[in-house]
Amino acid sequence: QKEVEQNSGPLSVPEGAIASLNCTYSDRVSQSFFWYRQYSGKSPELIMSIYSNGDKEDGRFTAQLNKASQYVSLLIRDSQPSDSATYLCAVKGGGYQKVTFGIGTKLQVIP
Amino acid sequence: GAVVSQHPSRVICKSGTSVKIECRSLDFQATTMFWYRQFPKKSLMLMATSNEGSKATYEQGVEKDKFLINHASLTLSTLTVTSAHPEDSSFYICSASGQNDQPQHFGDGTRLSIL
Repeated sequence: QKEVEQNSGPLSVPEGAIASLNCTYSDRVSQSFFWYRQYSGKSPELIMSIYSNGDKEDGRFTAQLNKASQYVSLLIRDSQPSDSATYLCAVKGGGYQKVTFGIGTKLQVIP
Repeated sequence: GAVVSQHPSRVICKSGTSVKIECRSLDFQATTMFWYRQFPKKSLMLMATSNEGSKATYEQGVEKDKFLINHASLTLSTLTVTSAHPEDSSFYICSASGQNDQPQHFGDGTRLSIL
């Protein structure tokens, strides 16, 4: 059973702070890692993909991957109230394997 | 970025009606499409996975005869909720992905309400 674990939260951070969202996964052969953002009542939206160890930055977002520790994280710098949403971690194995989603971490950015 | 179109966005109908939901990948060929349902404040629940031209693979507990999935082309998959009842009311979301390490891209979802 492939598992992707996230703390459901809520994680509350003040506006302008760094939000740190964490995710661990059980399948060592996982190759592709994604972060999605889901606003209440909406469908998930892809915000980051990461495939190799290290950091990947895109604007205020930084994804970090450590395959040895089976750990992936998302940092959101200068958090804004509009970042308040549920963030889903998703992990995919090789080939045509399906993506496994975590339950999501609810982030609340307090003005 | 990749675009997945899903419609209708909202359906309200009487119990016993069958409802068809369409999911289209607009700018890429979707090797695989996925159907999820989500209850309020709950996580995504995968219902089935479909590959173009082959039968869908349903998750445990999902009734194949209740939720008919057709993936006729690399850009279109449909979910038909047959003889819908109030307990089928939910938010249904499709997603599509290309080959190998490509992510899933989600449609906007369909909110189904059965009266």
